[in-house]
Amino acid sequence: GAVVSQHPSRVICKSGTSVKIECRSLDFQATTMFWYRQFPKQSLMLMATSNEGSKATYEQGVEKDKFLINHASLTLSTLTVTSAHPEDSSFYICSARNGDRPYEQYFGPGTRLTVT
Amino acid sequence: SQQGEEDPQALSIQEGENATMNCSYKTSINNLQWYRQNSGRGLVHLILIRSNEREKHSGRLRVTLDTSKKSSSLLITASRAADTASYFCATAPNQAGTALIFGKGTTLSVSS
Repeated sequence: GAVVSQHPSRVICKSGTSVKIECRSLDFQATTMFWYRQFPKQSLMLMATSNEGSKATYEQGVEKDKFLINHASLTLSTLTVTSAHPEDSSFYICSARNGDRPYEQYFGPGTRLTVT
Repeated sequence: SQQGEEDPQALSIQEGENATMNCSYKTSINNLQWYRQNSGRGLVHLILIRSNEREKHSGRLRVTLDTSKKSSSLLITASRAADTASYFCATAPNQAGTALIFGKGTTLSVSS
């Protein structure tokens, strides 16, 4: 149980285009989903927290207009990187929290974004 | 915001030796978790220790937690080349529903 998927696993896009990453909880309802970013040889940095049906809360320094997060259902959250630039190239990892277990998170396998 | 600090940043050992990684954090927590990440891959959950626990074992892993010092350690015994990876501690703040906060990680290299 508690499986989280991400799609795509890898994406290459050209500078200036937008990319959408999906995060799905497969066998539970995710009342909260989190998006992290990880640069090479660094740790995971929290970008934003999204609760189903409400606006995401972004961490300091994360541009909300650039990283659009939608959590329209209890099993799906999407992260759209708008007008991507090479410096947005990173590993994006989502995680989901089951409302029954407020202190546990389940992580997706990550999406490798490369902007050329 | 990262609140966990791990040391060492990098650790190189021989197969069969034990590896110890330490993690310190800043605020009160509900639990602390350790994850492994192979290069370019996703996270693998290793173990969770709750704030009212002091020690936990899972196979070759032993985790300790000292809430008075706000620190934890991960011991991998009889290491194998396959243990080569980055290891991260992550703390779950006491506020329910808030995100895990990751430490900077320790890169472990086990040579045969």
